[in-house]
Amino acid sequence: EVQLVESGGGLVQPGRSLRLSCAASGFTFDDYAIHWVRQPPGKGLEWVSGISWNNGTAYAGSVEGRFTISRDNAENSVHLQMNSLRSEDTALYYCAKGRGRRRLVGPISLDYWGQGTLVTVSS
Amino acid sequence: DIVMSQSPLYLPVTPGEPASISCRSNQSLLHTNEYNYLDWYLQRPGQSPQLLIYWNSYRAFGVPDRFSGSGSGTDFTLKISRVEAEDVGIYYCMQTLQTPQTFGGGTKVEIK
Repeated sequence: EVQLVESGGGLVQPGRSLRLSCAASGFTFDDYAIHWVRQPPGKGLEWVSGISWNNGTAYAGSVEGRFTISRDNAENSVHLQMNSLRSEDTALYYCAKGRGRRRLVGPISLDYWGQGTLVTVSS
Repeated sequence: DIVMSQSPLYLPVTPGEPASISCRSNQSLLHTNEYNYLDWYLQRPGQSPQLLIYWNSYRAFGVPDRFSGSGSGTDFTLKISRVEAEDVGIYYCMQTLQTPQTFGGGTKVEIK
């Protein structure tokens, strides 16, 4: 069974940093892209970032230069380092698995999602 | 960025009756490989989104065949042939043609 479990969310002051993690199981982790999608409270979905099986990365314009995505294949995990956080980054952050084995970096359908971890940026 | 829009925003439905949701993009999602790069997701109340349809018309694993996707270019439709109570939630379309992949604003489906 495919499982994705996010962690690392919490309350943080504007300008500070936070590191989210996504622990994956139930599939051959090395072969698949992992993406982050966020959802502000009561609002819709926004794609944030993705990393391909071979470490290609992509970011939304709103987080480019502030967020960094990385993967640790030995630990079957993906991390999202979030720096210079703003109030508009407040959201539930989901990690999701890309559909399709060994796809190059780029937009992709997301076939399994975690339950999300809440990030609140407030003073 | 490709802008996605959905209609209606709210859709009251009757169990057993059909329902449809529209999604439009401001650029064609038709790739040279003849696939339309358009997904549909359902987010049930209190749950994470789940993939229903990818490449416009391909049902994801385990998705009932009462869900179908159609359209091409910039105009797309998700159809539910006979609505069931478990189909309530917010439906999102998302384009996967270009980075950043972008979502529509969502259509909330509720039982009348």
